Amino acid sequence: NAGVTQTPKFQVLKTGQSMTLQCAQDMNHEYMSWYRQDPGMGLRLIHYSVGAGITDQGEVPNGYNVSRSTTEDFPLRLLSAAPSQTSVYFCASSYSGLAGRPSYEQYFGPGTRLTVT
Amino acid sequence: LAKTTQPISMDSYEGQEVNITCSHNNIATNDYITWYQQFPSQGPRFIIQGYKTKVTNEVASLFIPADRKSSTLSLPRVSLSDTAVYYCLVGGKLIFGQGTELSVKP
Repeated sequence: NAGVTQTPKFQVLKTGQSMTLQCAQDMNHEYMSWYRQDPGMGLRLIHYSVGAGITDQGEVPNGYNVSRSTTEDFPLRLLSAAPSQTSVYFCASSYSGLAGRPSYEQYFGPGTRLTVT
Repeated sequence: LAKTTQPISMDSYEGQEVNITCSHNNIATNDYITWYQQFPSQGPRFIIQGYKTKVTNEVASLFIPADRKSSTLSLPRVSLSDTAVYYCLVGGKLIFGQGTELSVKP
């Protein structure tokens, strides 16, 4: 299994540009999520999905869109990039646990380092 | 959501036991406690999870008192490679706080 893969590894955007960060997992996990991590900070949850066709907002959803058309893929779209979105983005996946909550053992991808100038 | 509080940083020496305590006063009845480890430029990695009393695996032990308002991650005989940030998470939405930066010195 490849686990959780993310592309690209690095990206530089100009303010106002849009792009999609890709995330895929081959473990048949129901739950997937996106986090951002700013320098010296912990991870902050952007959006998450409990299954194909179902998404919800996390702590910091503004400026980002997600969709989940398949179990395997969970892309994150930046609609109009801003310098405040410069960060490292991590995608994670896990099985669903009790009552539809994610299992607490999440598997993280290697991250995408995004710079917006 | 239960908020967690951990020390910002800790220093240790190789071979010592390290205990990192996390405070979570508002933990809900159904919430589990989970610890992750993160090395620089990598995504976090699951270490251990527990609900009450004590849990042990090949990497660490997790101690949870009866009131569950805190928990302690114990790393036995740390090495330089244990230098990382350790996060305590409580509840289902897996909200990460700032974590504890552990520095292990020779």
